[in-house]
Amino acid sequence: EAAVTQSPRNKVAVTGGKVTLSCNQTNNHNNMYWYRQDTGHGLRLIHYSYGAGSTEKGDIPDGYKASRPSQENFSLILELATPSQTSVYFCASGDAQSSYEQYFGPGTRLTVL
Amino acid sequence: GMPVEQNPPALSLYEGADSGLRCNFSTTMKSVQWFQQNHRGRLITLFYLAQGTKENGRLKSTFNSKERYSTLHIKDAQLEDSGTYFCAAEGTNTGKLTFGDGTVLTVKP
Repeated sequence: EAAVTQSPRNKVAVTGGKVTLSCNQTNNHNNMYWYRQDTGHGLRLIHYSYGAGSTEKGDIPDGYKASRPSQENFSLILELATPSQTSVYFCASGDAQSSYEQYFGPGTRLTVL
Repeated sequence: GMPVEQNPPALSLYEGADSGLRCNFSTTMKSVQWFQQNHRGRLITLFYLAQGTKENGRLKSTFNSKERYSTLHIKDAQLEDSGTYFCAAEGTNTGKLTFGDGTVLTVKP
């Protein structure tokens, strides 16, 4: 079954440290997305990608970078982590072949101390 | 206003009751997805709609792009229906989703 997986599932980082969150999809979708979810709220889009080599800014890109080295993999990078980036991060994939229905990973809980 | 307004913010039902959730959109949206987020935080896709109505068991969802709303109806609520329900709408063919803030549903015995 097609799937979106994320690693790590939980991460504790220190302020100022570098954090990389990884996402892998076997859906063969062109588009991939990174969202964050803060307590009591819906998901908000950070970065997305149309395919290998492409990254685009979402609605809240400040403090984050993204990398799409292949069709299957999409990373979210926090170069200098801050406590305000403590959140749950979700990755998703989708494209025209799925009519843009998005398929979500299980989430990564990040705590920045 | 918010691009996606979801109501009510919280809902409490007794087992066996029926109820509905609603999302209103500030602009025309091309599609909507409904999710249940369980106690472990996992997002479970309930429906994807580009138009019209879909049913799945005790759940039914409608999307009216012209009138800018979508609804999710739950029939004969069960304890396992408890969780947070989100709608998310796509406004362009980038596939970018805008989420509502969710409805926290509690089903009581």
